[in-house]
Amino acid sequence: LAKTTQPISMDSYEGQEVNITCSHNNIATNDYITWYQQFPSQGPRFIIQGYKTKVTNEVASLFIPADRKSSTLSLPRVSLSDTAVYYCLVGGGSSGYSTLTFGKGTMLLVSP
Amino acid sequence: GAVVSQHPSWVICKSGTSVKIECRSLDFQATTMFWYRQFPKQSLMLMATSNEGSKATYEQGVEKDKFLINHASLTLSTLTVTSAHPEDSSFYICSAQTSGTGEQFFGPGTRLTVL
Repeated sequence: LAKTTQPISMDSYEGQEVNITCSHNNIATNDYITWYQQFPSQGPRFIIQGYKTKVTNEVASLFIPADRKSSTLSLPRVSLSDTAVYYCLVGGGSSGYSTLTFGKGTMLLVSP
Repeated sequence: GAVVSQHPSWVICKSGTSVKIECRSLDFQATTMFWYRQFPKQSLMLMATSNEGSKATYEQGVEKDKFLINHASLTLSTLTVTSAHPEDSSFYICSAQTSGTGEQFFGPGTRLTVL
């Protein structure tokens, strides 16, 4: 399984755009990139998944360069409630979801 | 998205007792369920993969005789922590995988405290 590297923590202010980058140099051809959000004492919540280029949904965008060795989660106009740990996961096989391996995650702190 | 529940949400037990945690997929069938453990300020660690009707596959270092997993139906998997000790105190999270898209949905977690 490909290893991922993320910043341990990030700070931001309300209303700003936050970009969290994840490195995954050993990503395999059939690996997907998935991001989860976790609040304290809660289970992870799916944010977004992609394979290449750009994916956008109602909460975030995911940018993946052509070599797929990294990816960037972009959160537009964060609010205090976006304070959480964000995990970048790589793998999942053909379905994109099998056997997820969680790295250390990025603790995002949003201040007023 | 699909809903996964866990019961209980928290439990406190005495050392040496056994505790059962239930994981249910409420509105979909899950052929595969996963059990994770998370210690304070750490990431989720996969403990085992549970397939309906068959024996669970445990990750390296996880004692299968201590953490008993039963996946008797497509909507229910249980994790029993046998002879619990204080070092087993942790946050246990399950996830259920849909048979269609393969997407994983996580439960809310169960906080286990062993005195």
